[in-house]
Amino acid sequence: GENVEQHPSTLSVQEGDSAVIKCTYSDSASNYFPWYKQELGKGPQLIIDIRSNVGEKKDQRIAVTLNKTAKHFSLHITETQPEDSAVYFCAPSLSYIPTFGRGTSLIVHP
Amino acid sequence: DAGVIQSPRHEVTEMGQEVTLRCKPISGHNSLFWYRQTMMRGLELLIYFNNNVPIDDSGMPEDRFSAKMPNASFSTLKIQPSEPRDSAVYFCASSPASHTYEQYFGPGTRLTVT
Repeated sequence: GENVEQHPSTLSVQEGDSAVIKCTYSDSASNYFPWYKQELGKGPQLIIDIRSNVGEKKDQRIAVTLNKTAKHFSLHITETQPEDSAVYFCAPSLSYIPTFGRGTSLIVHP
Repeated sequence: DAGVIQSPRHEVTEMGQEVTLRCKPISGHNSLFWYRQTMMRGLELLIYFNNNVPIDDSGMPEDRFSAKMPNASFSTLKIQPSEPRDSAVYFCASSPASHTYEQYFGPGTRLTVT
């Protein structure tokens, strides 16, 4: 099965700083790379995703970069805000079947 | 759309009792997933359905767990008999799958087995 590692497990930043979370995976056949955000008491929610034929995707303050050769992809959040505080999960997927990372707790201090 | 609906939101039961969790996926979505989330093991995929048919149940921990999807708008996850180690948050998610892989999660059911 797919082995997924996510780093760091906890990330604390000041409001306005950038945050980067990295996800490494083992299955070279994985072809879909989403990031989910989970707020306290809620289910995970997709925030950005990328397919294997694209190296980078950006949506306002959020971006995802993919390195298929090295088998890792990263989430980049710029100009962080307190409402970005949550747990973030990567979920490298073979088609629509994901394997979730253990999550990164992001804390943005005002 | 109301999103994925799960019930109950909280369930407290005694060891040995039967527990049934319910899920209504988003209308038009043809794939449905059941997950379990714990601090120790993270978010685990238990089983998924495509067009109401179970495709892979290799994540189901034991024979005490079973899942059904009798129609496109309803699924159940049953634990019988329940044990304290089953305590977790159980999520249901649905996906259009045919043209996008995005999964839409429900709010979850927090299960406590005493």
